[in-house]
Amino acid sequence: DIQMTQSPSSLSGSVGERVTITCRASQNIRNDLNWYQQKPGEAPKLLIYGASTLHSGVPSRFSGRESGTDFTLTISSLQPEDFASYFCQQTYSVPFTFGPGTKVDIK
Amino acid sequence: QVHLVQSGAEVKKPGSSVKVSCKASGGAFNNYAITWVRQAPGQGLEWMGGVVPIFRTPHSAQQFQDRVTFSADDFTTTAYMELNSLTADDTAIYYCAIQTSGWFSGMDVWGQGTTVTVSS
Repeated sequence: DIQMTQSPSSLSGSVGERVTITCRASQNIRNDLNWYQQKPGEAPKLLIYGASTLHSGVPSRFSGRESGTDFTLTISSLQPEDFASYFCQQTYSVPFTFGPGTKVDIK
Repeated sequence: QVHLVQSGAEVKKPGSSVKVSCKASGGAFNNYAITWVRQAPGQGLEWMGGVVPIFRTPHSAQQFQDRVTFSADDFTTTAYMELNSLTADDTAIYYCAIQTSGWFSGMDVWGQGTTVTVSS
């Protein structure tokens, strides 16, 4: 199975701050990497697919990049509605494993 | 726009089975990959498996392979996940999701989740 790791596991940020979350795959997954946002009590929502393509309706302050087996999710200017947990997931090969998540809360 | 509605919360005894349904409205259901993900209390997301479009071939994570069944009824546009031999570790919220762009794409539409509690 492909293992996905994320860092940091949590971070505190201020409104307007730029934050970056990193996800690393244990082997090559091409760009078959998705990012999800989940708020407490809600189902996850797809933010980015194919490592860097924004899902419909997702604000442009979110962006994704790929560098080999390392992937980053960046929020260019943190907004109050962005405080949530973020998960990466590879859809390169079954099982489609998730990273452990990163919780973003208010500083 | 596709919308998914899951069945209601369940409380089960250890050793029993649970069957969760996921009803889709809108869209071309038979073209969608359907995936099931669970989330234990306070934990992350765990991919369980699902069915690919058209042929509805099931795939499951190895830890569930012997006790999970995924199915989809294209006539009623409903997907099902049945999990057997339940233990307390199966207590979780179970989500269905579809991948409208194919099996290897992101899960872009999610159900609201079904809470399954396993307790004696």
